[in-house]
Amino acid sequence: SAVISQKPSRDICQRGTSLTIQCQVDSQVTMMFWYRQQPGQSLTLIATANQGSEATYESGFVIDKFPISRPNLTFSTLTVSNMSPEDSSIYLCSVGAGVGGYTFGSGTRLTVV
Amino acid sequence: GQQLNQSPQSMFIQEGEDVSMNCTSSSIFNTWLWYKQDPGEGPVLLIALYKAGELTSNGRLTAQFGTTRKDSFLNISASIPSDVGIYFCAGLVVYNDMRFGAGTRLTVKP
Repeated sequence: SAVISQKPSRDICQRGTSLTIQCQVDSQVTMMFWYRQQPGQSLTLIATANQGSEATYESGFVIDKFPISRPNLTFSTLTVSNMSPEDSSIYLCSVGAGVGGYTFGSGTRLTVV
Repeated sequence: GQQLNQSPQSMFIQEGEDVSMNCTSSSIFNTWLWYKQDPGEGPVLLIALYKAGELTSNGRLTAQFGTTRKDSFLNISASIPSDVGIYFCAGLVVYNDMRFGAGTRLTVKP
């Protein structure tokens, strides 16, 4: 299955600033997925990113807050904009694993102060 | 969207004991998956199930896809300290729509 490199692994940010998270895959994939995991919670899908088209956002997530880029088939970025403490979470990218499941990056642990 | 109800929320067991956790839904899924998440890491796929009634093992782990396609369980036999972590069930209807349960936090006491 694909190997995903995600960075940064963690960051502490000031409220009102933005953070861009990068996700690099070692093979070409059509779809990349971005998830949020709030403290002690499960994973919630933010958006699906396809190369060459606008990302598709889930209910409750908007492009102005979480802009996504997908410049090619191996790379994507998620930006968390105008951050507040409520954005403190783990953010994970993932790709299809070819057997019906997904492979995940190791996540970005974001703390907003 | 489809909601997955995972239980128990947490378990505290003695090393060597068997563990059982399950996931139910009011909706039908085409694929059931079980993941484990260690601290500071992303979830790692343990077992994938594709057919109603399917029973699959991966070492000490056994999982089943319920016959109604609305539930699944995961068993861990003879638990060891490295089994500690959070276990998530996930259901897929279509490829780009995976839903996660709330997770079962497992603690194993030596």
